[in-house]
Amino acid sequence: KNEVEQSPQNLTAQEGEFITINCSYSVGISALHWLQQHPGGGIVSLFMLSSGKKKHGRLIATINIQEKHSSLHITASHPRDSAVYICAVRGSTLGRLYFGRGTQLTVWP
Amino acid sequence: DTEVTQTPKHLVMGMTNKKSLKCEQHMGHRAMYWYKQKAKKPPELMFVYSYEKLSINESVPSRFSPECPNSSLLNLHLHALQPEDSALYLCASSQFYTGNYGYTFGSGTRLTVV
Repeated sequence: KNEVEQSPQNLTAQEGEFITINCSYSVGISALHWLQQHPGGGIVSLFMLSSGKKKHGRLIATINIQEKHSSLHITASHPRDSAVYICAVRGSTLGRLYFGRGTQLTVWP
Repeated sequence: DTEVTQTPKHLVMGMTNKKSLKCEQHMGHRAMYWYKQKAKKPPELMFVYSYEKLSINESVPSRFSPECPNSSLLNLHLHALQPEDSALYLCASSQFYTGNYGYTFGSGTRLTVV
């Protein structure tokens, strides 16, 4: 069983729709990361969370430590949001990340 | 400078070649990581360097040889690779390996072994 489970695996939306991606984890963590990966391969860190909620523009990330669950929301989605979104948790061993399998998001105009 | 710079961006090499991947950061981060990512899969940890010393080697074959000449630079030397080693190789850094510090990723080197 993977330490980090993400859903859905694929997500298609119409421009303007509200998007939610979910992440559950089973290991003890020091922080949870939401990452974005475009087809070229580079990974961009969107959020790092250890509690509560963070907002950056149209992106909102929440985490519930007791339930070991996090969500990434995108409001008013846009075609440029199309990418793979990856949930990763930072374990206690030398800061290594445990990755979810990613959610491929496609937003159509 | 808030970037992790990886070179080259693309590399095609034969199975008998020797090549090196380079990763550089000037943020003063003391932990650096190599990850390997196959298509449509999450990244897999290969090596962790903290304070310029190898701390984790995830049973990676000896044809991959990391080198950390200083706190800003992390190289990955490649020798006698196999076609199944073709992947995206990602370098990342973090201020420290403990605590709640963010990660910065490089844009990756896409390696093809022919």
